[in-house]
Amino acid sequence: EPEVTQTPSHQVTQMGQEVILRCVPISNHLYFYWYRQILGQKVEFLVSFYNNEISEKSEIFDDQFSVERPDGSNFTLKIRSTKLEDSAMYFCASKPRTTNYGYTFGSGTRLTVV
Amino acid sequence: RKEVEQDPGPFNVPEGATVAFNCTYSNSASQSFFWYRQDCRKEPKLLMSVYSSGNEDGRFTAQLNRASQYISLLIRDSKLSDSATYLCVVTGSSNTGKLIFGQGTTLQVKP
Repeated sequence: EPEVTQTPSHQVTQMGQEVILRCVPISNHLYFYWYRQILGQKVEFLVSFYNNEISEKSEIFDDQFSVERPDGSNFTLKIRSTKLEDSAMYFCASKPRTTNYGYTFGSGTRLTVV
Repeated sequence: RKEVEQDPGPFNVPEGATVAFNCTYSNSASQSFFWYRQDCRKEPKLLMSVYSSGNEDGRFTAQLNRASQYISLLIRDSKLSDSATYLCVVTGSSNTGKLIFGQGTTLQVKP
């Protein structure tokens, strides 16, 4: 079964450092997403990406965050200057088409900011 | 009002029990509805989609009531392996496919 692959599985970074979280969506999928889940809290939408541009972003997704699909396969989330409160699980997801079915999540990157 | 509201539980039930989870959502423009399962520190995995006509998948039955913006999940004959957090999920009103998650309801099935 096709998978969404995320790397690394766990990243520890110092406050103020930049981090890049990487995702390889399923190859024929067209819509890409990042979500985060702070420990003990609900899964929260960060951003959606379609046709090489952001289609929607949440209030969480401020100027410190950016996304890219640099080479047609990878989909990255960059946090420019990490804060302690950025510590969370970050999930990448993709889906194939305009219907809301066929969503697939990656196994996540656990980001710890110290 | 929370966009998707669930009783966080935990629900502690014996094996073989029937357990029901409920969920309400605030945005009447939501178009698609799901139950996801999440094991500790893992990604959410789709359990089933939810339709107004109701749908069943083995021991799991889901129901949607659009008029009262209410979603339910019934698990019959609970197994130890059903222990997890069950997430009620709806789509946003935009057409971007954004998913809005409830906080989740924790189920612990005991022998």
